[in-house]
Amino acid sequence: GAGVSQSPRYKVAKRGQDVALRCDPISGHVSLFWYQQALGQGPEFLTYFQNEAQLDKSGLPSDRFFAERPEGSVSTLKIQRTQQEDSAVYLCASSLGLAAAYNEQFFGPGTRLTVL
Amino acid sequence: DQQVKQNSPSLSVQEGRISILNCDYTNSMFDYFLWYKKYPAEGPTFLISISSIKDKNEDGRFTVFLNKSAKHLSLHIVPSQPGDSAVYFCAAEDTNAGKSTFGDGTTLTVKP
Repeated sequence: GAGVSQSPRYKVAKRGQDVALRCDPISGHVSLFWYQQALGQGPEFLTYFQNEAQLDKSGLPSDRFFAERPEGSVSTLKIQRTQQEDSAVYLCASSLGLAAAYNEQFFGPGTRLTVL
Repeated sequence: DQQVKQNSPSLSVQEGRISILNCDYTNSMFDYFLWYKKYPAEGPTFLISISSIKDKNEDGRFTVFLNKSAKHLSLHIVPSQPGDSAVYFCAAEDTNAGKSTFGDGTTLTVKP
């Protein structure tokens, strides 16, 4: 595909369930970012990969959040034992490098997670 | 404590007039600033950016101004078009850290 894709687009989970959100970056993009966007707010950084290496996970809100990119391409964000405060849009972005100043970040459409 | 603030949640302008969107930041380490545009059900797309060594960057109808002493930047859209109606996010980056910090966005409505 030409852009970043994410699946599912919408996910409804019962509190306590585990969820897995998928991101397919643009082919050849070594950098991959996950953001969380709560209603009415801007995207907040969660974690960053360069190829398969997770170089920064400082934004993950708790140890219930886990991200992986085992082969340096597709990435999965997993949330264990979901809570209502996890309800948000989860955005994935990819780029050719780290800093947005030098490498444009391309965002996917996001996955809207609703925890009941 | 929010490091990037967009104090106007919404802005409405008439087609053909100027739209001015504002953004303030607090972290002196930020050295690069970006504006993104977001349509409903889509991800943000990059619009225009500016380095901290400049005070103005222009791209067609879009101009970004940076006032470092005031820690303030603004996006000017002239002339505004109905297709410009979207949410605009200001973002700031410390290029050494490589992470962007976003404001909460301003919803621009351009009326025909």
